[in-house]
Amino acid sequence: SAVISQKPSRDICQRGTSLTIQCQVDSQVTMMFWYRQQPGQSLTLIATANQGSEATYESGFVIDKFPISRPNLTFSTLTVSNMSPEDSSIYLCSAAGGFAEAFFGQGTRLTVV
Amino acid sequence: QKEVEQNSGPLSVPEGAIASLNCTYSDRGSQSFFWYRQYSGKSPELIMSIYSNGDKEDGRFTAQLNKASQYVSLLIRDSQPSDSATYLCAVDGRMDSSYKLIFGSGTRLLVRP
Repeated sequence: SAVISQKPSRDICQRGTSLTIQCQVDSQVTMMFWYRQQPGQSLTLIATANQGSEATYESGFVIDKFPISRPNLTFSTLTVSNMSPEDSSIYLCSAAGGFAEAFFGQGTRLTVV
Repeated sequence: QKEVEQNSGPLSVPEGAIASLNCTYSDRGSQSFFWYRQYSGKSPELIMSIYSNGDKEDGRFTAQLNKASQYVSLLIRDSQPSDSATYLCAVDGRMDSSYKLIFGSGTRLLVRP
């Protein structure tokens, strides 16, 4: 299994600002994903981070709001831009070594005030 | 829209009993099926994966897959209070060369001492 380090673990941000979340995997992985989880809710996939190319976004999520980078096979960032209180959530990085099980980072708890 | 359905619960069982968690999925092309456990305030943790019809056992956990009925289940034998958590069913939603996991809404399990 892959070990995934995500930071920051939590942050409180002012509305209108941006936050970049980093995700580091301890081994090369094929797939990296970013999820959002609202309190008491299940996971919603934001996008698949593609190495060397633009991320693939799910319906309802756009690059201008959630720009994603993946410069290599072990690292990705998610930026939450121009934040509003509605963006308060837990953001989770996930990685999979192919068409197989995915593992999760510890998550970033974001509060926008 | 590919979907994964779970009963939200809570499912309450006494300590030592068998807990049975169920999941149905809509995409007949799915080939990989996973159960994750999520404690409150923590990220999801993979507990079982299953890829072929039948049963797969790992300790107190048994995953069951029936592709014809599009049904996945998780049995937890000798349930312990420490098993109290939300259990997420995940199914692969692969299309061409892309791959992602689609999560159900989760079933909350309460094991009464």
